[in-house]
Amino acid sequence: KQEVTQIPAALSVPEGENLVLNCSFTDSAIYNLQWFRQDPGKGLTSLLLIQSSQREQTSGRLNASLDKSSGRSTLYIAASQPGDSATYLCAVLPNAGNNRKLIWGLGTSLAVNP
Amino acid sequence: EAQVTQNPRYLITVTGKKLTVTCSQNMNHEYMSWYRQDPGLGLRQIYYSMNVEVTDKGDVPEGYKVSRKEKRNFPLILESPSPNQTSLYFCASSFFSGHSSYNEQFFGPGTRLTVL
Repeated sequence: KQEVTQIPAALSVPEGENLVLNCSFTDSAIYNLQWFRQDPGKGLTSLLLIQSSQREQTSGRLNASLDKSSGRSTLYIAASQPGDSATYLCAVLPNAGNNRKLIWGLGTSLAVNP
Repeated sequence: EAQVTQNPRYLITVTGKKLTVTCSQNMNHEYMSWYRQDPGLGLRQIYYSMNVEVTDKGDVPEGYKVSRKEKRNFPLILESPSPNQTSLYFCASSFFSGHSSYNEQFFGPGTRLTVL
């Protein structure tokens, strides 16, 4: 059974720091992995999607990597800003069965302090 | 603009009063799904649909119904809401394909439901 774990659960950093959020999954049979951002009580904003055949994706100050064989993904945020404060969720799409159900981690709550 | 829409965005209701949360997508996606999000439990799937008139239970279907009469719409129905259905609900859609490039899921803005 696929499980997704995100470490740390919470992170507080000063503005300007480069930081790494971690996501691990137990089964490498996946179609893709997505990183989302969620502001408190709000919707899901898709940040990056990495296909199973890809190693990384970049968007602005964000870079996500995928190592399928070891069941790991990292989200790198460069030069963090207070506006980056949010919860970051990782989700994998298993390559199995007909249900395209995403398997979610519980997220990393990030606070960037001015 | 390609999007998934949900209505209402916020709803406060009372126990037992039937309600429907609508979900619509304009991307011609075959696959649609409903999730609920609760603190400490993450996102859990309620129901999903692989195409018109094809629906199936997810992980937490009790107390919910769905229908898929048209490709673009996938309403979530609570026949007799209870306080334990207070949650944040998300609708999602994607193509249904064995090719990974077509499997990105798109999410609606969420519906915050409170059942008193």
